[in-house]
Amino acid sequence: DGGITQSPKYLFRKEGQNVTLSCEQNLNHDAMYWYRQDPGQGLRLIYYSQIVNDFQKGDIAEGYSVSREKKESFPLTVTSAQKNPTAFYLCASSIDGTGGHQPQHFGDGTRLSIL
Amino acid sequence: DQQVKQNSPSLSVQEGRISILNCDYTNSMFDYFLWYKKYPAEGPTFLISISSIKDKNEDGRFTVFLNKSAKHLSLHIVPSQPGDSAVYFCAAFHSGTYKYIFGTGTRLKVLA
Repeated sequence: DGGITQSPKYLFRKEGQNVTLSCEQNLNHDAMYWYRQDPGQGLRLIYYSQIVNDFQKGDIAEGYSVSREKKESFPLTVTSAQKNPTAFYLCASSIDGTGGHQPQHFGDGTRLSIL
Repeated sequence: DQQVKQNSPSLSVQEGRISILNCDYTNSMFDYFLWYKKYPAEGPTFLISISSIKDKNEDGRFTVFLNKSAKHLSLHIVPSQPGDSAVYFCAAFHSGTYKYIFGTGTRLKVLA
């Protein structure tokens, strides 16, 4: 089955540690996105990538980093510089990151908590 | 600066009746609008979309209406079913930035 896989589903981090969230898709989509969801708020864009080896900052990129070395993979690192990392993180992809409004397909999310 | 707003955090509707979810936006440059449905502990799934050059799009029980002059869109679900109970997000797409801007969501509860 084609889809987006996020792992792990739950993740705990100690203060001062970096942690990497995995996102893999087998939909052959060009574009991939990372969002953060906090209670009572919508999905806020952290980073997005329209094509391999290229990515752009979203609205809340500070304290996060990404890479896009392969089409199917878009890992997100939450660094120690992110002061409030506890949140629900969603990864998404769409067919073409340059051509229009194609609906995004989402993974089931990773819930990150600080110990 | 909340460019896409869903002012009703929750809505309860009787099974079989119409559900109307509302969304307002501020940026007249948005090209497309989309609605997503989200169950707990799952990612959102795409429901229906509408181009900014149209005022209505229909797909089965779901219809989206767009009023550009009022910068307002709504999702109508008729008839509502208990399985429709979920959080609904509206999103706007800006082709200049290739970004999707999401609203805060409305939790719909359909009562059997």
